[in-house]
Amino acid sequence: EPEVTQTPSHQVTQMGQEVILRCVPISNHLYFYWYRQILGQKVEFLVSFYNNEISEKSEIFDDQFSVERPDGSNFTLKIRSTKLEDSAMYFCASKGQGGYEQYFGPGTRLTVT
Amino acid sequence: EDQVTQSPEALRLQEGESSSLNCSYTVSGLRGLFWYRQDPGKGPEFLFTLYSAGEEKEKERLKATLTKKESFLHITAPKPEDSATYLCAVTLSGGYNKLIFGAGTRLAVHP
Repeated sequence: EPEVTQTPSHQVTQMGQEVILRCVPISNHLYFYWYRQILGQKVEFLVSFYNNEISEKSEIFDDQFSVERPDGSNFTLKIRSTKLEDSAMYFCASKGQGGYEQYFGPGTRLTVT
Repeated sequence: EDQVTQSPEALRLQEGESSSLNCSYTVSGLRGLFWYRQDPGKGPEFLFTLYSAGEEKEKERLKATLTKKESFLHITAPKPEDSATYLCAVTLSGGYNKLIFGAGTRLAVHP
């Protein structure tokens, strides 16, 4: 069964460093999303991406964040200068043309020290 | 403000003891309501989509229902492997399908 994959599973970085989180969405999906979940809190929407551009972003998604689909399979989230409060699980999700359900990857645990 | 509230926060059941989880929502316009299961340290796993009041979906021991203000996830004769956090989320009409999540219900089923 097709699934969303994410790498790495765990990333430890120092404050101020850049990180890139990678996702491979389900192959025939066209809509892509990033969410994050701080430990013990709700899953929060960050950004949606369709047709090679951002379609919607949250207040969390400031100038420190960017997304890219560098080729036909990968979808990346970059944080330019990490802060302690960026420590969270980051989930990638994708959606097909029909229906509204989103399918999530296993997540990347980002720890900023 | 669009909001999703789940109750209870945590639920402990004995194996075979049926119960229901609640998800109430206050949104400007509902396009769809979703139930996900999340195991510790893992991503949400899709369970159901509900689109209109009166709709019901079933899968094994789980049944989801929807009214104009809330949704219920009924668990019939649960087993220990049903232990997980159950998340409710909505997507709004007129938007780009972002999901707004509730805080979840942590379910523990004991043998």
